[in-house]
Amino acid sequence: SQKIEQNSEALNIQEGKTATLTCNYTNYSPAYLQWYRQDPGRGPVFLLLIRENEKEKRKERLKVTFDTTLKQSLFHITASQPADSATYLCALGALLSGGYNKLIFGAGTRLAVHP
Amino acid sequence: GAGVSQSPRYKVAKRGQDVALRCDPISGHVSLFWYQQALGQGPEFLTYFQNEAQLDKSGLPSDRFFAERPEGSVSTLKIQRTQQEDSAVYLCASGPTGSGTDTQYFGPGTRLTVL
Repeated sequence: SQKIEQNSEALNIQEGKTATLTCNYTNYSPAYLQWYRQDPGRGPVFLLLIRENEKEKRKERLKVTFDTTLKQSLFHITASQPADSATYLCALGALLSGGYNKLIFGAGTRLAVHP
Repeated sequence: GAGVSQSPRYKVAKRGQDVALRCDPISGHVSLFWYQQALGQGPEFLTYFQNEAQLDKSGLPSDRFFAERPEGSVSTLKIQRTQQEDSAVYLCASGPTGSGTDTQYFGPGTRLTVL
């Protein structure tokens, strides 16, 4: 069956360092992959989308890579700040016949950035 | 502009009661999704609407779950005869165009607790 794995343990890093979060998947060939941020008591907020034919995408301090051979995406936050502390969700997208995207989410990784 | 809103934010129901959860998407958005998020897990797809048409309800756990979007805007997720395993956060998301890689904008969710 389809499976998405994200680090289940919290990632603790020092302010200013680069945080790297991993998303691995099996039995799936996504057309694209998205990363979301979720704060406690709130809904997920979209951060970045990367398509299957793209290797890397950047947005400000964020960088996402997508390796369809390894079936893995890496999400990097450079110069991390305490305000980056949140849960980060990986979501795989499938373009279905109805023309819409159905997202399959991982369980998320909690990031804590310490001053 | 206003984002996606959901009401109520919290709902406590006794086992066997019926509940109705409301989602107000961003005005003009074509797509509307419902997800269920258990504690410590990522959102799980329940159902999808494109305007008023329910194109996919494959994620609804049982026939006790019913969703509607009669005029293509506000949507209601109804759960009949609630069970303890229905306790979760129910998230609604809307997307502007209904196209494959539409960004999904999530509401804050309704936390349902079934006693």
